[in-house]
Amino acid sequence: EPEVTQTPSHQVTQMGQEVILRCVPISNHLYFYWYRQILGQKVEFLVSFYNNEISEKSEIFDDQFSVERPDGSNFTLKIRSTKLEDSAMYFCASSEGQATSYEQYFGPGTRLTVT
Amino acid sequence: KQEVTQIPAALSVPEGENLVLNCSFTDSAIYNLQWFRQDPGKGLTSLLLIQSSQREQTSGRLNASLDKSSGRSTLYIAASQPGDSATYLCAVLTQGGSEKLVFGKGTKLTVNP
Repeated sequence: EPEVTQTPSHQVTQMGQEVILRCVPISNHLYFYWYRQILGQKVEFLVSFYNNEISEKSEIFDDQFSVERPDGSNFTLKIRSTKLEDSAMYFCASSEGQATSYEQYFGPGTRLTVT
Repeated sequence: KQEVTQIPAALSVPEGENLVLNCSFTDSAIYNLQWFRQDPGKGLTSLLLIQSSQREQTSGRLNASLDKSSGRSTLYIAASQPGDSATYLCAVLTQGGSEKLVFGKGTKLTVNP
């Protein structure tokens, strides 16, 4: 069964460093998302992406964050200058069509630890 | 602003028991509701998606119901097994053009052999 994959599974970085989290969505999916889950808290929406542009972003998704679909298969989340509070599990998700009608399928996550 | 609450936060049952997990949401104007399973340190596995026009969905031993007007959903697990032990999350997609799922904090289920 097709699945969303994410790399790396765990990333440790120092405060102020840039990180890029990578995702390969399911191949025929058109809508892409990033969510995060700080330890012990709810899963929170960050951004949705369709047709090579951001369709929606949350208050968390400030200028330090960016997303890109550099080729036909990858979808990346970049954090320019990491802060301690960016430590969380980051989940990529994709859906075949608009979320109003289609399930979002989640990847296994990347655990980001900022020291 | 949509808020999703799941009760109880944790549940421990003996193997074989039927059980119900509850989810409530404050804004009943939703497109759909999704139930997920999360194993410790792992990603989210989609279990069931219920559209706002539907009352229930079934998959194997799982049955999810939706009462949109009262802002409630339940996930019924029949004949629970130790392998069902995980955290169960519900998430809603609210009307108004949003693409984001709003999640509850989850119910941590432990099924004891």
